[in-house]
Amino acid sequence: LAKTTQPISMDSYEGQEVNITCSHNNIATNDYITWYQQFPSQGPRFIIQGYKTKVTNEVASLFIPADRKSSTLSLPRVSLSDTAVYYCLVGDGNNQGGKLIFGQGTELSVKP
Amino acid sequence: GAVVSQHPSRVICKSGTSVKIECRSLDFQATTMFWYRQFPKQSLMLMATSNEGSKATYEQGVEKDKFLINHASLTLSTLTVTSAHPEDSSFYICSARNSGSSYNEQFFGPGTRLTVL
Repeated sequence: LAKTTQPISMDSYEGQEVNITCSHNNIATNDYITWYQQFPSQGPRFIIQGYKTKVTNEVASLFIPADRKSSTLSLPRVSLSDTAVYYCLVGDGNNQGGKLIFGQGTELSVKP
Repeated sequence: GAVVSQHPSRVICKSGTSVKIECRSLDFQATTMFWYRQFPKQSLMLMATSNEGSKATYEQGVEKDKFLINHASLTLSTLTVTSAHPEDSSFYICSARNSGSSYNEQFFGPGTRLTVL
């Protein structure tokens, strides 16, 4: 399974756009990129998933360059409630039974 | 969206006792469920893969006799921490893979906080 590298922490202010970049140099052809959000003492929550180019949903955008060796999660106009840990994962749904290996994640702190 | 529940949400027990944690997929079938453990300020660590109707697959370093996993139906997996000790105190999280999905959609439970005295 591809290993991911993310910044350990990031600080932002309310209303700003936050971009969290994840490196996954060893991503395989069949791997998808998935981002999860986790609040303290809660299970991770799915944010967004993509394979290439750009994916957008109601909460975030995911930018993936052509070589797919990195990806950037973009959170528009963050609020205090976006303070959480964000995990980037890569994997194939069928390889190794679909298990996900979590990296260290990025602890995002949004300040007023 | 798909919902995964865990029971109990919190448990406190004495050292040496066994604790069972349930993980249920409420509105979908899950032939595969996963169990994670998370210590404070750390990431989730995958413990084992639970397969319906067969033996669980444990990650390296996880004692299968210590952490018993049973996946007897398509909506329920249980994790039993046997002879729990204070070092087993942790946040245990399960996830369920939607068997009906073409891709690896995994949904996480809310977690169970285990405290061993």
